[in-house]
Amino acid sequence: RKEVEQDPGPFNVPEGATVAFNCTYSNSASQSFFWYRQDCRKEPKLLMSVYSSGNEDGRFTAQLNRASQYISLLIRDSKLSDSATYLCVVPGTGYALNFGKGTSLLVTP
Amino acid sequence: EAQVTQNPRYLITVTGKKLTVTCSQNMNHEYMSWYRQDPGLGLRQIYYSMNVEVTDKGDVPEGYKVSRKEKRNFPLILESPSPNQTSLYFCASSSNKGYYGYTFGSGTRLTVV
Repeated sequence: RKEVEQDPGPFNVPEGATVAFNCTYSNSASQSFFWYRQDCRKEPKLLMSVYSSGNEDGRFTAQLNRASQYISLLIRDSKLSDSATYLCVVPGTGYALNFGKGTSLLVTP
Repeated sequence: EAQVTQNPRYLITVTGKKLTVTCSQNMNHEYMSWYRQDPGLGLRQIYYSMNVEVTDKGDVPEGYKVSRKEKRNFPLILESPSPNQTSLYFCASSSNKGYYGYTFGSGTRLTVV
């Protein structure tokens, strides 16, 4: 099983839609989990951190299910500006980082 | 402003010509790391450093060198670049074993011809 797996998409959704991405991970000892957003050929930027069961920030909700070892990211009321690639990141041992390959989202008018 | 600064942003070079990509952070982070990103392969770690004078190999270290003489700087050195090192490179830094996340530099797009 790969360290971190994501559905690559692409997810094409209309403006205003709700979209959810899932990510599964293999390191059951991880204490923190992250969703990063990456625009085309630019640096990943931290979108949300998850330390317990979940986190909410405006239109974005991240949820963690430790028993099943998956993290989800829900985006409500999608905007055109949400179009990007979303990376699931799960720390490994020490400072090691395990990246998913990213889920591509395209929000259309 | 807290940031990780990489230079250059873009670089085209020829096979075999030594180059250095610089990375500097102003957050007093103990951990720094280099990644390369290629289509379909995602982000892969090249080298990392837990602190000054402490460096270790990541998943794809072949053809690269690093040094960590000062806490703020972590340069990536390609002694003899080859076309398969054409890629998008990111430097990242963190503290507290990455518990609060990692800050990435803006990237270096390297082309080796």
